[in-house]
Amino acid sequence: EPEVTQTPSHQVTQMGQEVILRCVPISNHLYFYWYRQILGQKVEFLVSFYNNEISEKSEIFDDQFSVERPDGSNFTLKIRSTKLEDSAMYFCASRGSQGEKLFFGSGTQLSVL
Amino acid sequence: AQSVTQLGSHVSVSEGALVLLRCNYSSSVPPYLFWYVQYPNQGLQLLLKYTSAATLVKGINGFEAEFKKSETSFHLTKPSAHMSDAAEYFCAVSELTSFQKLVFGTGTRLLVSP
Repeated sequence: EPEVTQTPSHQVTQMGQEVILRCVPISNHLYFYWYRQILGQKVEFLVSFYNNEISEKSEIFDDQFSVERPDGSNFTLKIRSTKLEDSAMYFCASRGSQGEKLFFGSGTQLSVL
Repeated sequence: AQSVTQLGSHVSVSEGALVLLRCNYSSSVPPYLFWYVQYPNQGLQLLLKYTSAATLVKGINGFEAEFKKSETSFHLTKPSAHMSDAAEYFCAVSELTSFQKLVFGTGTRLLVSP
C-alpha cells in the first residue's frame, strides 16, 4: 500500500527556534493535512491544504504556523518560533480526490526544550 | 460542532475474549465515522469507516462496528482478541458533506493479556 513519509522521526529544538517538519504525501493525492497529538491527549486537526492554499485551519494554527508545498512532492509545516507547548507528535496525512480515507504518516515527534 | 466521546481510556481483555470499544458521536449533520488504530511508534491506520451505506461495517483484522443513529453510537468490536491487537484505538467523525477534517476522540488503549 502507498505510504505517507515524514521526516525526521524525532526533532529536538530550543524554545524560540524555527522548525520545519517535512512530509511526502502519496503521489496522486490532492488534499493534505497536518494533525498533532500532545502526549496523553487527542489527535487534533491543525490545517488542510488543497490547490496550493489553506482550505481550513483550526484555532491552534496561528501566525506562528505556516504550510507550504514547495514542489510537486513535499508538504511542509513550519513553526516560526517554537514554544514549549508545541511539543507533540505531528502527523501529516493526505487523501485522493475520490475517497474519504486519510492516509497518515508515522509522525514527527517534536520536543521543544 | 462535531465531537466523539470514547468511554474508557484503557480496556483490558484476555486473549480470545470479546473486544468492545465504545464511541459516541455528536453531529448536527449526517456523519462519517471512522476507527483508526495506532501501534507503538507508528502512524494512524484506518480500521474501518461508516459512510452512510450499511450500518454494520466490517474492517481489517476482524474488527467491525455498528452505526446506531438512535444511540448516536459507533462501537468497535472483535469476537476474539489477539495479542497483536494491543494498540491505541481512535474513533473519529467528519461531516458527510466535507472530508476536510477529522475530529478525534481521546483514544482507548487496548491491553491484551495471555
